[in-house]
Formats: sequence, C-alpha cells, structure tokens
Amino acid sequence: DQQVKQNSPSLSVQEGRISILNCDYTNSMFDYFLWYKKYPAEGPTFLISISSIKDKNEDGRFTVFLNKSAKHLSLHIVPSQPGDSAVYFCAARGSQTGANNLFFGTGTRLTVIP
Amino acid sequence: KAGVTQTPRYLIKTRGQQVTLSCSPISGHRSVSWYQQTPGQGLQFLFEYFSETQRNKGNFPGRFSGRQFSNSRSEMNVSTLELGDSALYLCASSLTLLAGGYNEQFFGPGTRLTVL
Repeated sequence: DQQVKQNSPSLSVQEGRISILNCDYTNSMFDYFLWYKKYPAEGPTFLISISSIKDKNEDGRFTVFLNKSAKHLSLHIVPSQPGDSAVYFCAARGSQTGANNLFFGTGTRLTVIP
Repeated sequence: KAGVTQTPRYLIKTRGQQVTLSCSPISGHRSVSWYQQTPGQGLQFLFEYFSETQRNKGNFPGRFSGRQFSNSRSEMNVSTLELGDSALYLCASSLTLLAGGYNEQFFGPGTRLTVL
C-alpha cells in the first residue's frame, strides 16, 4: 500500500525553465514532508522539507508547496540547471509512526536539457 | 567529516543463503535506519536503531533483522534469501532521536544485493 505516490516517473525540462515535481499522499497523519535528490551510485541527499503547519517553504531555487486539503505537495525548481538532473524522491513522516520512519514515493527522474 | 559508509557495495547471493550488510554512521550520529529500494516500491523503511535498541520497525518479515553496536555501527541480516530480496539496501544515520521532531537523515551509497 503506497502511502506516498509520485505518478510521473520522469520529467524533461529545458535549462532555465521551471521544473515542477508532484507528490500525493494518502495518510492524513503525516506531519512532515521532505524531498530528496539522488544521483546514480549515491545515496539520497536531503533537499528541502516542510512541516504540515506551513503551506510553503523556500530555499534558494527550490520551493516546496503543501496543499493539505488535497494531500498534495510539489517541488518547484527555478531556474532549472543541468546539474539538477537526478531522481527526486518525495517522503513523508507521521509523528505516530516514529521520528525517522519515512515513507517514500517511487521517485521522478528529472532531466534538464542544456 | 566522513559520510555514511556501507559495505560491501555489491553482493551476489543465491536463494536460501543469508547475508549480512554493514553500515558505519557519521561520527557522532547515534541513530541508524535501514531502507530497501526496489524499482516498483521506491524506498521502504526496514528498521531503526538508537543506542543499540531497535526503536521502530517497518512491515518486513522476520527474515530481516538488524543490530547496532556500542560504537553506533549497525548490521542488517537477511536469512533464507528470496529472489524478491534483490534490491538496493540503504542505511541512513542521524544525530539522535527527537520525540515528535525530525532529525535530518544522511544516507550512505547503499549495498546492491542480487539474489540468483
């Protein structure tokens, strides 16, 4: 039972344009959401997070939006750069399931075309 | 500061065998979590250890087990391997456990296990 879903396995964007990666979740008890980036042969690296009490969090070129009523979050990358090409994982955590028990989506492979 | 290290990086086993994977967390980190990554399921939480005690467990059969040593290094063991156990096994370390909070987890590069 996939509680966190990333329905787009891949996304291609032109350099300089906006990349929008989407994520849906089903568990209303999730209270913290994260995005991780993964390059081949490396482990995922933390990118940005958002608490359920917020609807937006920004860090440089990366912004995460949370729509709790729709159980949807998205990651915006502006402007996209070739070095952003990687697999992006959305993850969620519920305080009841344990502090570090993260539920991950299946990932979206972003390709930024120079 | 050295990152999370995992050994071995690649492993090939046959059905029915058992395997032990090792994870060394970042120096000073006391919490270690294990995840299984497969193409269809993404990353799935296996278990978490803190101060040599299992604090949390995912929905995996008892063939999957782990332990943590006093120096915070952790091992996971899979017994009676099945073809479906072929996956990338990722270890993540964090500084500590926060009740109700979240500590950033730092992932290792993973161990690629292939079961033939």
